[in-house]
Amino acid sequence: SQQGEEDPQALSIQEGENATMNCSYKTSINNLQWYRQNSGRGLVHLILIRSNEREKHSGRLRVTLDTSKKSSSLLITASRAADTASYFCATDARTGFQKLVFGTGTRLLVSP
Amino acid sequence: EAQVTQNPRYLITVTGKKLTVTCSQNMNHEYMSWYRQDPGLGLRQIYYSMNVEVTDKGDVPEGYKVSRKEKRNFPLILESPSPNQTSLYFCASSLRTGVDQPQHFGDGTRLSIL
Repeated sequence: SQQGEEDPQALSIQEGENATMNCSYKTSINNLQWYRQNSGRGLVHLILIRSNEREKHSGRLRVTLDTSKKSSSLLITASRAADTASYFCATDARTGFQKLVFGTGTRLLVSP
Repeated sequence: EAQVTQNPRYLITVTGKKLTVTCSQNMNHEYMSWYRQDPGLGLRQIYYSMNVEVTDKGDVPEGYKVSRKEKRNFPLILESPSPNQTSLYFCASSLRTGVDQPQHFGDGTRLSIL
């Protein structure tokens, strides 16, 4: 069963613009992760945010987490063509099971 | 170089012909798992392993088998493949058991079952 749902499904922007992707989930979590997937390749871990954190930064990435709304957002600032990829959120579920549940992803296209 | 290696990368085969997709990691990771990725469905976990000789079902285990005899290897076995198992498969590993660990993914195996 899917825990995270990304929004929008697809996003097209110009280089230099900011890109914001959202993830909503259904049940309480311990942490949330964001991953990037370039076409035809495996997923690459970007950032992990724990349930007691509200915001986290890594380079041009900014992740927020609102546990009251069960949602997270990933902001990529000053985007580049190389940021073109699919982005996924992944959550655990406070059920004791040792697995991540991935959303269906946001496809980001950054045009030069 | 730290990596998760899957083989083969691409395979076209026929219904019923047993196949194995290998996965190997060189990072001494405890936790390994298999996912399949299908359009519109995202990644779904097939099986996972918390350590040697410890495996458990994920969300879509039907038609698959796994084994974890050594820490570094976690092969995915399709005993009698069917067309609905045509998909893109990923192996992943993390240092420790626990979903607070970043997952390291292989580059994927694209399987086509005719």
